Amino acid sequence: DAKTTQPPSMDCAEGRAANLPCNHSTISGNEYVYWYRQIHSQGPQYIIHGLKNNETNEMASLIITEDRKSSTLILPHATLRDTAVYYCIVRVVWGRNKLVFGAGTILRVKS
Amino acid sequence: EAGVTQFPSHSVIEKGQTVTLRCDPISGHDNLYWYRRVMGKEIKFLLHFVKESKQDESGMPNNRFLAERTGGTYSTLKVQPAELEDSGVYFCASSQASGPEKLFFGSGTQLSVL
Repeated sequence: DAKTTQPPSMDCAEGRAANLPCNHSTISGNEYVYWYRQIHSQGPQYIIHGLKNNETNEMASLIITEDRKSSTLILPHATLRDTAVYYCIVRVVWGRNKLVFGAGTILRVKS
Repeated sequence: EAGVTQFPSHSVIEKGQTVTLRCDPISGHDNLYWYRRVMGKEIKFLLHFVKESKQDESGMPNNRFLAERTGGTYSTLKVQPAELEDSGVYFCASSQASGPEKLFFGSGTQLSVL
C-alpha cells in the first residue's frame, strides 16, 4: 500500500473548519483514500473514504485532487470532541484488505 | 446494534504468564482483524480472518501469539508466554465484506506485562 505524509499536529478553534492535509504521491489507480481517527482511549473510528470524487457524509468532507496525489479532510465545524489523532490511509480494497496506519495528525480543537 | 466488543478491557500479568484476549465482532461480519499499538509506536496490523480462516497473518510477531476464530464468530488472541514487549493496546475490528468497506473497531484491551 502507498505511504502517506501528514503533518504531526494541528490546532483548530472550536466552531471553525478543520482542514487536515494528506500527501499520497505514490497512490495507485486501484487505491482508495481512507480517513480514520482515534479519540483518546477509544478504538479507531472510520470517518470517510473516496477514490476519485469528492465525498461528504455526516461527519466530514473529503477533497481529493485531480491527480489524486493529495487529499484534505474537512471537519466543517470542529468541536472539542473532535480532538483526536487523524489517520490518512491509502488502501487497495481487493485482495488483502488490511489498513496500514501511519503516525497521523494530532488535531487539537481549542475553545 | 452492538458494536465490536473486546474483553477484558485491561489485563495486568507477569512476564511468562499466559493471557487470552477475546473479540466479539458485529453480528454477520465475516472479516475480523487484530491490531495492536505498542507504547510510542504506530498501530500495527496483526492478522485477518475471513470467517474461520486466516486470510493474512503476516503481522503476527512470533509464535508466542496464537489467534483462533472457531465457528467464524468470536475470536481469541492468546499470548503464551507473555514478554515485557507485548505490553500495549490490542484492537479488534470487523467488517461485513471485502471491497471498499469500513472497519468497525472495538475499544481495545490494554495489556500490561510486568
